[in-house]
Amino acid sequence: EAQVTQNPRYLITVTGKKLTVTCSQNMNHEYMSWYRQDPGLGLRQIYYSMNVEVTDKGDVPEGYKVSRKEKRNFPLILESPSPNQTSLYFCASSLIKGNEQFFGPGTRLTVL
Amino acid sequence: AQTVTQSQPEMSVQEAETVTLSCTYDTSENNYYLFWYKQPPSRQMILVIRQEAYKQQNATENRFSVNFQKAAKSFSLKISDSQLGDTAMYFCAFMKPRYAGGTSYGKLTFGQGTILTVHP
Repeated sequence: EAQVTQNPRYLITVTGKKLTVTCSQNMNHEYMSWYRQDPGLGLRQIYYSMNVEVTDKGDVPEGYKVSRKEKRNFPLILESPSPNQTSLYFCASSLIKGNEQFFGPGTRLTVL
Repeated sequence: AQTVTQSQPEMSVQEAETVTLSCTYDTSENNYYLFWYKQPPSRQMILVIRQEAYKQQNATENRFSVNFQKAAKSFSLKISDSQLGDTAMYFCAFMKPRYAGGTSYGKLTFGQGTILTVHP
């Protein structure tokens, strides 16, 4: 089944404790992206990647890191999480030449 | 930068009736894509319908249709014969064409969302 998977689905952590949210897709998509969803703000792009070893900042990159060592994986790293990073996070992927993005199921992160 | 505005935080409709969700956007681009996504309580983002700006014909997908007014930069979603399963948050989104490149390559710009409740 073609899909985007994220892990974990739920995470409660404390300020300053490094964490990684994984994202994997099995559709051989070149383009991958991370968004965060906050009430009243919709979804905003954090980082994106057009292919292996090619990443760039989106609208709200502060406090986040990403890597793209393999085509299928695009982990989101929070080196020192803070309470303002409490949010719902989505990973998405698409073909470079396509316009439909496929979304993962979301990760609910709470930083205390 | 592009902006997308959904001015209706919440809407409600009776089952089997029709409802229209509003969306306006601001861009200087001539070619672009517009989307409506549905987010049910499961939180999954589901693509409902898409519109390519160079196409004058309004997109339709079964009970879902759009009214695309390019000059007015308006992109409303009409849901006909509403069903209980349509209860969800709906997001309008904009995307520049990929050939435009730049730092917003492939980025979806979302509106704030409209919570739709379908009542039995």
